[in-house]
Amino acid sequence: DVKVTQSSRYLVKRTGEKVFLECVQDMDHENMFWYRQDPGLGLRLIYFSYDVKMKEKGDIPEGYSVSREKKERFSLILESASTNQTSMYLCASRAPTRDRLNYGYTFGSGTRLTVV
Amino acid sequence: KNQVEQSPQSLIILEGKNCTLQCNYTVSPFSNLRWYKQDTGRGPVSLTIMTFSENTKSNGRYTATLDADTKQSSLHITASQLSDSASYICVVNLNTGFQKLVFGTGTRLLVSP
Repeated sequence: DVKVTQSSRYLVKRTGEKVFLECVQDMDHENMFWYRQDPGLGLRLIYFSYDVKMKEKGDIPEGYSVSREKKERFSLILESASTNQTSMYLCASRAPTRDRLNYGYTFGSGTRLTVV
Repeated sequence: KNQVEQSPQSLIILEGKNCTLQCNYTVSPFSNLRWYKQDTGRGPVSLTIMTFSENTKSNGRYTATLDADTKQSSLHITASQLSDSASYICVVNLNTGFQKLVFGTGTRLLVSP
């Protein structure tokens, strides 16, 4: 089974801090995603990456950046954390097209970030 | 606008009872629809996937239906267990080049002993 590992389950950071959220997948998937999940809003796409060193903005990229230096690792960066970035952050990896119907997206366990 | 709406928002049932969760979508072009289960504090896990031509798909005590004409799906849980307590999220995959996902806001189910 595909495993998507997020390095931290819970994080508390101060306003203005630079925050790194790390995500690693072990199936050599090319596509990786970062979502945030807030009550009543569902999952919203922040950034995604087609492949190494490639990145695309999602629906809510403001205040975030990403890094994909290696295929297995996709990092989300909050350049200057603010209280409205308190949320649950979910990383996902997507199977290649030939396997997508069976395997689709695999999500990590999430990082609950609190900015104080 | 591509939207996925789920009902009810929350539901409490007694252990052993059945329940049905609803999902209505206005997504085009449609590729497939998935139901995910998300335990509290965890990431979503896929339960079923349905394509345009499929009407029913089962995964143990979970049975999903899809009516592509009315753009409705349901998830039926049979003989509920305490471990079924979770949020259930309906997700529709757009049939575009990138195949973007459109998420519902979920139904929070509590199974009470």
